[in-house]
Amino acid sequence: AQSVTQLGSHVSVSEGALVLLRCNYSSSVPPYLFWYVQYPNQGLQLLLKYTSAATLVKGINGFEAEFKKSETSFHLTKPSAHMSDAAEYFCAVSDTGYSTLTFGKGTMLLVSP
Amino acid sequence: NAGVMQNPRHLVRRRGQEARLRCSPMKGHSHVYWYRQLPEEGLKFMVYLQKENIIDESGMPKERFSAEFPKEGPSILRIQQVVRGDSAAYFCASSPEGAAKNIQYFGAGTRLSVL
Repeated sequence: AQSVTQLGSHVSVSEGALVLLRCNYSSSVPPYLFWYVQYPNQGLQLLLKYTSAATLVKGINGFEAEFKKSETSFHLTKPSAHMSDAAEYFCAVSDTGYSTLTFGKGTMLLVSP
Repeated sequence: NAGVMQNPRHLVRRRGQEARLRCSPMKGHSHVYWYRQLPEEGLKFMVYLQKENIIDESGMPKERFSAEFPKEGPSILRIQQVVRGDSAAYFCASSPEGAAKNIQYFGAGTRLSVL
């Protein structure tokens, strides 16, 4: 069975500061990994995905994530936070295409001026 | 190209009534997934459908819940005799065939409130 753990239900940063959202996964097979962002009362928007190609994945809005197999991690980073980044972020894992996603509980990113 | 369309966006039902949630996948997508988001929780998988077929329903409650994706028309998630514990946001996602098949695109969700 797959699982995802997101450390910290809330992360607060100042505008311009580094954003680091943590995600650890467990999977019995090589995983596909995803980060989604959810703005209030909206659906989920795909930020980036890892599907066994390059381990450093660049996504939209300046976000990137690095797949580290030895640490079973897929942390999301952004060098400089913007107020518009305030949202909830979900890490998810699947084992193949056409497969269901297993989500973490989410991390709410708060950005202060 | 319109995204995944879900309606209604908000649905209020009294205990014991039926709720019908609709999802139209993105154009050209033949795979539909339903997820439920409870307060303070991440999204939980419910069911995965292709046209006219249920592929995986391992996340569906055994009673009162059903889903379909007919040859024509949207996918429907149906909840019979709703209870307060069914109050949640229900999200639909779709994915295409081919190289991008592992990417799921989400709708804006239906927020169900049971009084």
